[in-house]
Amino acid sequence: AQTVTQSQPEMSVQEAETVTLSCTYDTSENNYYLFWYKQPPSRQMILVIRQEAYKQQNATENRFSVNFQKAAKSFSLKISDSQLGDTAMYFCAFMKFTQGGSEKLVFGKGTKLTVNP
Amino acid sequence: DAGITQSPRYKITETGRQVTLMCHQTWSHSYMFWYRQDLGHGLRLIYYSAAADITDKGEVPDGYVVSRSKTENFPLTLESATRSQTSVYFCASSVSAGTFRQYFGPGTRLTVT
Repeated sequence: AQTVTQSQPEMSVQEAETVTLSCTYDTSENNYYLFWYKQPPSRQMILVIRQEAYKQQNATENRFSVNFQKAAKSFSLKISDSQLGDTAMYFCAFMKFTQGGSEKLVFGKGTKLTVNP
Repeated sequence: DAGITQSPRYKITETGRQVTLMCHQTWSHSYMFWYRQDLGHGLRLIYYSAAADITDKGEVPDGYVVSRSKTENFPLTLESATRSQTSVYFCASSVSAGTFRQYFGPGTRLTVT
């Protein structure tokens, strides 16, 4: 079974600064996907970024980027130029790859990020 | 484009009552999922469905029943609600190939008294 660990329950950062959220996972699978989801106070789950395990290049989406270390089973999220709207819970999630289609997401417990003005 | 909707958004019920949470998606996605979110646990999978009439258990299925007679609907029933089922419930859907991205509904906050 896969497990996802987010070791930082809470973090804070000043507006315009950079913050990195940590995520490690445990799996025996070789092909899988990793995700970061954002959950603002509205409770909506929003996909931030996605990484395919077979890709060596780290994914980036505007101010969001990841540091994917497959051998270390580490998948951290870097938020640059933090904005007040980035205040939210952030969940790291794992999905194994199957030829047949979609699979369940395994989530970490989340990191509560507060961006201070 | 309604996307994926859940109803009700909030529900209070009593221990022992049956309650059904509804999930509807307009994209004709093959896969649908039910997760529950509890403080300190993140989201955990309850049940999922690969297509109409095909369902399977997730990590925490006890006390829940699902059905999927139509592709667009995936109701979750608590047959006899317990206080431990107080939670926020999320429905999600995804296509069967490609990005494997799951799209989440807005969630239902259920309180069992």
